[in-house]
Order: sequence, then structure tokens, then C-alpha cells
Amino acid sequence: GQNIDQPTEMTATEGAIVQINCTYQTSGFNGLFWYQQHAGEAPTFLSYNVLDGLEEKGRFSSFLSRSKGYSYLLLKELQMKDSASYLCAVVDSNYQLIWGAGTKLIIKP
Amino acid sequence: SAVISQKPSRDICQRGTSLTIQCQVDSQVTMMFWYRQQPGQSLTLIATANQGSEATYESGFVIDKFPISRPNLTFSTLTVSNMSPEDSSIYLCSVAIGRDIVGELFFGEGSRLTVL
Repeated sequence: GQNIDQPTEMTATEGAIVQINCTYQTSGFNGLFWYQQHAGEAPTFLSYNVLDGLEEKGRFSSFLSRSKGYSYLLLKELQMKDSASYLCAVVDSNYQLIWGAGTKLIIKP
Repeated sequence: SAVISQKPSRDICQRGTSLTIQCQVDSQVTMMFWYRQQPGQSLTLIATANQGSEATYESGFVIDKFPISRPNLTFSTLTVSNMSPEDSSIYLCSVAIGRDIVGELFFGEGSRLTVL
């Protein structure tokens, strides 16, 4: 079967750095997405990785290792507004999006 | 990007009734999808809404329970029929804008349904 694993919940301190991991087992791979979802709101696109390595976009970076079936989302200089759920999603060989359950990130002052 | 309007944003429904959710996009889009997100769970694709033809349903979802209309490239409806408490969920409309990146989706605000 296809599976995306993320931690259920993480807590971090304002101003710090946090890394949210995602491991996947899917039938084929055509890219990995990270989405941010604030409570009661729709998910919004954060990043996309299709090749191995690090993609940096401001305070957020996303890393991919296809051989390990592994990605992480790195958030720097955490702000209170970063409190949200972070969803990992993989495009499989049929170009279907497989979603993880999301990681709820709690930022404390 | 795209601006997606969904309504109703929330509703409380009685068991056995049906509710239709509307999704309006501010531009013409080819790919439009309906998702369900139950509390604390991942997004689950219900179906792809096809313009001019029947929707394509995912495993576990059937047309009789979730009829979908797509009369044009900017609008779609999802009906949740004969509702039970298990249908309490957030229903999300999403679209893919023609780009090279497969899977970059834009979502509506969602419709939160509570079935009593």
C-alpha cells in the first residue's frame, strides 16, 4: 500500500528552528509537496521537490532524498503565525496525490 | 493563482437529508477536485469533476452518495446525499492551474458539515 508518515504534533519556541520530517512509501514518485494549513482554513502551497537536495524559500526550506523516501521541511526564525498543520503530499506513478495526515506545529513564546 | 469561493462555509444538517456545496472559481480551470478532510486526518480525494462528462470517483466513493456537477470550467457542485453522522467533515474544492508542476493545488475555504 501507499503510506506517508509524519509526526502528529511538534512544539517549538518562537525564534527557533524546527524540522518536520516526512517519510513515504509510494508506487513511483513524481514529486513531493508541502502545504501549510492554519486551523479552520484551506491548505496553501509551500514547496515542491522533485530532485534530491534542498530548496530554499525565505524562512522555509524543503529537502528531498528519493533513495531514502524522505523529506523534511525546515522552518527558521519561527513566528507565532507559523503555528499550523504542515501536510506532506507525494505524487505517485499515476500522478495521484497521496497525502500525509499532517503535523500540527505549536509555537510557544 | 486562483480565487475559489465555496458555500456554504458551514452547516448543521439532519440525518437523512442532502446538502449541495457550491464551488466557484474566478478563472477557467480544467482540473477541479473535491476532497474530504475528517478531523485530524489527511485529505481524501472524493472525485475529479470533469466538465461535460461524469465525475471520476475514487475508491470508496460513489455517484449515488456524492453526485457532482460541472456545467462549465468555473463552477462545480458536490452533493452529500442521505447524510449520516459519519459524513461530518470538511469538504474542500480544489483546482490545478495549468503549470509544469503536477499537484500544485489551490483550495477553497472548505465547507464544514456537521450531521446530527
